[in-house]
Amino acid sequence: DTEVTQTPKHLVMGMTNKKSLKCEQHMGHRAMYWYKQKAKKPPELMFVYSYEKLSINESVPSRFSPECPNSSLLNLHLHALQPEDSALYLCASSQASSSGTEAFFGQGTRLTVV
Amino acid sequence: AQSVTQLDSQVPVFEEAPVELRCNYSSSVSVYLFWYVQYPNQGLQLLLKYLSGSTLVKGINGFEAEFNKSQTSFHLRKPSVHISDTAEYFCAVSEYSSASKIIFGSGTRLSIRP
Repeated sequence: DTEVTQTPKHLVMGMTNKKSLKCEQHMGHRAMYWYKQKAKKPPELMFVYSYEKLSINESVPSRFSPECPNSSLLNLHLHALQPEDSALYLCASSQASSSGTEAFFGQGTRLTVV
Repeated sequence: AQSVTQLDSQVPVFEEAPVELRCNYSSSVSVYLFWYVQYPNQGLQLLLKYLSGSTLVKGINGFEAEFNKSQTSFHLRKPSVHISDTAEYFCAVSEYSSASKIIFGSGTRLSIRP
């Protein structure tokens, strides 16, 4: 199994809603990532978890709250988002953070904030 | 900190013609280099990677890339493109010291003309 599975595929939420994005992998990877991608732009790193601990936070606003319940799961909790947060949110995973191997990406969640 | 520059935002090519997508990187330490492809409304798929060893790297779908340390480049090539190669191509880099932090270039849109 070389897949990273993200749910939901599409999400529309109001600015006062609370929602969560979910990501799952069963490749035994110990590093997991959230990226944000706006239209016609490259993915921008948001968070990195290494061995279930948050290792990198790229100065992301607190309305985005990551969580890594176990080595296979990664969540992104969303609250009080703004319309400019509408984007494709990509989850990725890779082997232990020091190995330099490639990241495997999910298909993404297309988020629209209204 | 590392950075990646993709000099061409768009590359139009006729079908069965050769193509080169350019990538230059900047880093004060040794790096790992990657090329990813993104088809419309999809996640990212790894084409190839350079970790160490031979500077000519072969990937999937007939693509190859050459690592040139003196020119800090990692250009992607294919001798004969197909309509199905139409996609966005991202060059990416991560440093040995922080292999979890994968930084993407701005992307090159490859459009194939029949």
